[in-house]
Amino acid sequence: QVQLQESGPGLVKPSQTLSLTCSVSGGYFSSGNYLWSWIRQPAGKELEWIGHISPTGNTNYNPSLKSRVTISIDTSKKLYSLKVTSVTAADTAVYYCARRLFAGDYDAFDIWGQGTKVTVSS
Amino acid sequence: DIQMTQSPSSLSASVGDRVTITCQASQDISNYLNWYQQKPGKAPKLLIYDASNLETGVPSRFSGSGFGTDFSFTINGLQPEDFAAYYCQHHSDLPLTFGGGTRVEIK
Repeated sequence: QVQLQESGPGLVKPSQTLSLTCSVSGGYFSSGNYLWSWIRQPAGKELEWIGHISPTGNTNYNPSLKSRVTISIDTSKKLYSLKVTSVTAADTAVYYCARRLFAGDYDAFDIWGQGTKVTVSS
Repeated sequence: DIQMTQSPSSLSASVGDRVTITCQASQDISNYLNWYQQKPGKAPKLLIYDASNLETGVPSRFSGSGFGTDFSFTINGLQPEDFAAYYCQHHSDLPLTFGGGTRVEIK
């Protein structure tokens, strides 16, 4: 059974860089049917798609964050990472990693990590 | 960006009730719409994909319908474990966006 687990600092200072890693266990990591994704949710608010990366390293980002976001992948270690630069209080949120699976008519975030809370504060 | 407008933002219902949530897209998204359930402190869980297809293992009291810009999600016979927030999400184009959510509370 595939499981995702986020890790990284829970507190980041304003103007610094937020860095998180998602480790994937079980299952096959490098399928062309997967896009490894990051999604965040500020407290009491809706979900926001940040971006995703394919096993071959192709990325897409939300234009609202594109200038500050980098997603990278290490297929040998079955993990992928998120970096958000120049953070402000508006980046405070629970960050989720999730697998986007697309196969035939199916295209959805079918597996999620438990989420990790990141607070931006001095 | 495609905007997803969910309504209502919250509702109160009793066990056994039928509950319907709507989601409207700002442009035609065909049937490229998913529904998720999120319980407090937990990650979202996929319930419905492509507007009307039940994810494996999800109880049949959950259902979805719609095409184009107007979609609905229904729970037939609300159970205690169904009190949660529900979100729609389109996958018609990038960026992917979610609706604002509907919180289903106990009456």
